[in-house]
Amino acid sequence: QQQVKQSPQSLIVQKGGISIINCAYENTAFDYFPWYQQFPGKGPALLIAIRPDVSEKKEGRFTISFNKSAKQFSLHIMDSQPGDSATYFCAASGRSNDYKLSFGAGTTVTVRA
Amino acid sequence: EAGVAQSPRYKIIEKRQSVAFWCNPISGHATLYWYQQILGQGPKLLIQFQNNGVVDDSQLPKDRFSAERLKGVDSTLKIQPAKLEDSAVYLCASSLRRETEAFFGQGTRLTVV
Repeated sequence: QQQVKQSPQSLIVQKGGISIINCAYENTAFDYFPWYQQFPGKGPALLIAIRPDVSEKKEGRFTISFNKSAKQFSLHIMDSQPGDSATYFCAASGRSNDYKLSFGAGTTVTVRA
Repeated sequence: EAGVAQSPRYKIIEKRQSVAFWCNPISGHATLYWYQQILGQGPKLLIQFQNNGVVDDSQLPKDRFSAERLKGVDSTLKIQPAKLEDSAVYLCASSLRRETEAFFGQGTRLTVV
C-alpha cells in the first residue's frame, strides 16, 4: 500500500529553469511533509519540510507548496543549477503512524547546463 | 558532528549466503531505523528501534532478516539466507527522538548473485 504517490519519475530542465515535483498522500493524519535530496552513492538528506498549518515554505531556491484539501504537496526548484541534479523524494509522517516516514518513489532531476 | 556511519559500503554475495550490515548512529540519537531502498524506489522502513527496543518491525521479513541494537547504540542487520530480490541499498538512519529529523548514512549496496 503506497501512502505517498510521486510524479514525475524523471525530468530534465535547462539551467535556470524551474523544476516541479508533485506528491499526493492518502492518510489525512499525516502532519509532517519533508523532501529529501539524494545524490548517487549517498544517503537521502533533508532538503526542506512543511507542516499543514502553512500553505507554502521557501528556503533559498526551494519552495514547498501544500494543499491540505487536495492532499497534495509539491517541490519547486527555482533557477535550477547543474548541482541540483539528484533524486528527490517526498515523504510524509505523523503521530498516527508513530512518525515513521512513508516515502514516494522518487524523481530524478537532471539539469542541463 | 559525525554523521551516521555504515559498513561495509558494498557487498556481493551468492544467494543462500548470509550477510551482516553495521550501523553507528549519531551520538545521543535514541531512534534508529533500517530502510531498504530497491533501485528506482523510495526507501522502505524495515525496522525502527527506540533505544534498544523494537518499536516497529512489521515490514521486516522475519524468516530471513534479523536486527538488533545492543546497548541502545550500534545496530546490526542480518540476512540469512539471502535471496536475489534482497539486492538493494540498505540505509541506516537515526534521529534524536521519533518526531525529529532523521539523518541517513550512505548505505550499504548489497548485490545477491
